[in-house]
Amino acid sequence: GQQVMQIPQYQHVQEGEDFTTYCNSSTTLSNIQWYKQRPGGHPVFLIQLVKSGEVKKQKRLTFQFGEAKKNSSLHITATQTTDVGTYFCAGTQGGSEKLVFGKGTKLTVNP
Amino acid sequence: DADVTQTPRNRITKTGKRIMLECSQTKGHDRMYWYRQDPGLGLRLIYYSFDVKDINKGEISDGYSVSRQAQAKFSLSLESAIPNQTALYFCATGDSGPTYYNEQFFGPGTRLTVL
Repeated sequence: GQQVMQIPQYQHVQEGEDFTTYCNSSTTLSNIQWYKQRPGGHPVFLIQLVKSGEVKKQKRLTFQFGEAKKNSSLHITATQTTDVGTYFCAGTQGGSEKLVFGKGTKLTVNP
Repeated sequence: DADVTQTPRNRITKTGKRIMLECSQTKGHDRMYWYRQDPGLGLRLIYYSFDVKDINKGEISDGYSVSRQAQAKFSLSLESAIPNQTALYFCATGDSGPTYYNEQFFGPGTRLTVL
C-alpha cells in the first residue's frame, strides 16, 4: 500500500536555529497536508499543498511540494520554544480517499 | 465547547473486555475517521465514514468495528480487547467539499490501556 516516509524521526535544536523535516512517497501524491501535534495534544492542520512545485509560507514556516509531487518539506526559520511538537505530513494518492500519515518528526527546542 | 469531542478521555480495561469509544462533532461534517497513534508509528487509519450509510475499512481494521449512529456520532468498538490495542485513539472529521483534499479536525484523543 501507499507509504509516506518522513525524516528525521527526532530533531533537537537550540532556540534560534533552523529546522527542516522531509516527507517522501514512492508514488505520486495528489496532495500533501502538514499537521502539528503539541505534547499531550491532538494533531492540528497547518497547511495543504496541491500543485507541483508549490511553495507556501506561514510566518517562519515554509512548505514545499516537489516538482514530481513525491516529496515535501517543512522548514522553520529561527525556531522558538513554541515550535516544540511533532510535525506530520500526510498525503493522498490519486483516486484514494484516504490520508496516509508519515510517522512524524518530533522537534524539541532548547531555550 | 470543543467541535470534536471524545469519550472517555482515558480508559483502563482488561484483556477480553468489550470497549466502546465515542466521538461526537458539532462541525456539521459528513466525513468522520478513527485513527490509532502509537509512539514512533504516526497515525494509522482504522475506519472511516463519508456519510451515515457509508463505512469503510482503513489500514488496520482487524479487531475493531464502528457504528455511525448519526451524522454527528461515530463510535469505535473493540469487541475483545487485547494488550496490543493499547494506544492513543483519535477521532477526526472532515468536510465533503469539491475534492477529497480537505483538512481534518481531530478530537482530543482517548488513551486506552488494555491489561
